[in-house]
Amino acid sequence: EAGVAQSPRYKIIEKRQSVAFWCNPISGHATLYWYQQILGQGPKLLIQFQNNGVVDDSQLPKDRFSAERLKGVDSTLKIQPAKLEDSAVYLCASSLVRAADTQYFGPGTRLTVL
Amino acid sequence: AQRVTQPEKLLSVFKGAPVELKCNYSYSGSPELFWYVQYSRQRLQLLLRHISRESIKGFTADLNKGETSFHLKKPFAQEEDSAMYYCALLRAGFQKLVFGTGTRLLVSP
Repeated sequence: EAGVAQSPRYKIIEKRQSVAFWCNPISGHATLYWYQQILGQGPKLLIQFQNNGVVDDSQLPKDRFSAERLKGVDSTLKIQPAKLEDSAVYLCASSLVRAADTQYFGPGTRLTVL
Repeated sequence: AQRVTQPEKLLSVFKGAPVELKCNYSYSGSPELFWYVQYSRQRLQLLLRHISRESIKGFTADLNKGETSFHLKKPFAQEEDSAMYYCALLRAGFQKLVFGTGTRLLVSP
């Protein structure tokens, strides 16, 4: 089966600019996750969707980050305006239903904010 | 809040040596625990989960509720085991996976 797709793979922007990431989960997976992984740390959940509803966004900096999952399939994560500390790898993952189900990860987008 | 601690950033062993990657968690309830692995230039993927009680690629992990640990073990390390390993915890009734900071395993010939 096709895996989780993400684009772009790399992005370099200057602080205060905006950026958007796209994710296409595995077909049939109800739940989609966006994680932020800062260098030297483990992935941290930013937001979790089940179909097109938000399950958890408690760690999403809502003053600058936004995410949507249209029609319960693809998702976009946006940062506006970016800060230096947003430099990280942004991982998208999907699972059948629950967080305990195997989560399948995409290749990630490496964001560098200068 | 629950926390997952992986005390070693790097674990370096020789091929054929036993391996133990440590994972401790802080949570008083009944968690579900996982090990995820990322091989070089590959995606993060599930290695094993405690409820399955299975051995994957020769690795096993036992949940010790008394010591709140979920260490990953393999009796004889192979070079292809070199990777980044993350321990992760899911609280009962919650839907958020919490990852540790990871341990890089380097197996030398």
